[in-house]
Amino acid sequence: DAKTTQPPSMDCAEGRAANLPCNHSTISGNEYVYWYRQIHSQGPQYIIHGLKNNETNEMASLIITEDRKSSTLILPHATLRDTAVYYCIVRVLEAGANNLFFGTGTRLTVIP
Amino acid sequence: DAGVIQSPRHEVTEMGQEVTLRCKPISGHNSLFWYRQTMMRGLELLIYFNNNVPIDDSGMPEDRFSAKMPNASFSTLKIQPSEPRDSAVYFCASGGDTHYYGYTFGSGTRLTVV
Repeated sequence: DAKTTQPPSMDCAEGRAANLPCNHSTISGNEYVYWYRQIHSQGPQYIIHGLKNNETNEMASLIITEDRKSSTLILPHATLRDTAVYYCIVRVLEAGANNLFFGTGTRLTVIP
Repeated sequence: DAGVIQSPRHEVTEMGQEVTLRCKPISGHNSLFWYRQTMMRGLELLIYFNNNVPIDDSGMPEDRFSAKMPNASFSTLKIQPSEPRDSAVYFCASGGDTHYYGYTFGSGTRLTVV
C-alpha cells in the first residue's frame, strides 16, 4: 500500500522546471516522503527525501506543505534524460524495516 | 562501489524449467530485497532479508518461488517450475542500517518464460 496519489502522466518542455505533485493525506508524524525515479529498463533510483522541511540536493528540490498532506518534487531544468516514471513514497525510518512500497507513479515526458 | 549486481541480465527459459536469479548486494548493506515488476502489477516486494535472515516473504507468490541468502554478499531467487506468468523484470535492492537514503537497486533480470 503506497499511501500516495500521483497523476499518471505529465509533460514538461526541455529546460523548464518540472513540478511533480504527490498527495499523502494520511501520512503519519514519523513518516518521511521519499522520491524515486525509474528510467526505462533500469532499477529505481533514489532522488530525495524529507520529513517536514523543504529539501534540495543536486538532483531536485522537495517542497512539503505545512500540514504534510502533499508535496512537490521539482526538477529545476528538465532535460531529456529526466524522462522517467517518478514514484512518491511515504515510509518510516526504521532499521530493518521493509517499507518501500511503490505505487503507479507519474510518467514524466520531457519534450524537446 | 559497483552497486548492486544482478545476473543474468536476461533469461529466456521454457515452461517447467528451473530458473535461478542472482544478486550481490552493496558491501556493508545488511538488508536485501527482491522485487518483481510487471506492466499489470507494477513493482511488488517479494521477500526481504535482514542480516541474511528472511524477515518477510509474504510477497512471494507461491511455493514455486524460493529465496536464499547464504552470506552477506550473495542471494538467489529460484523459480521451480517456471510458468509463463512468471515473466517479469526481477530487481534486487540492498540497504544499510538506517535506510536513510532508501535502497539501492540493481539493473534487474528480465525473465521470459515461453
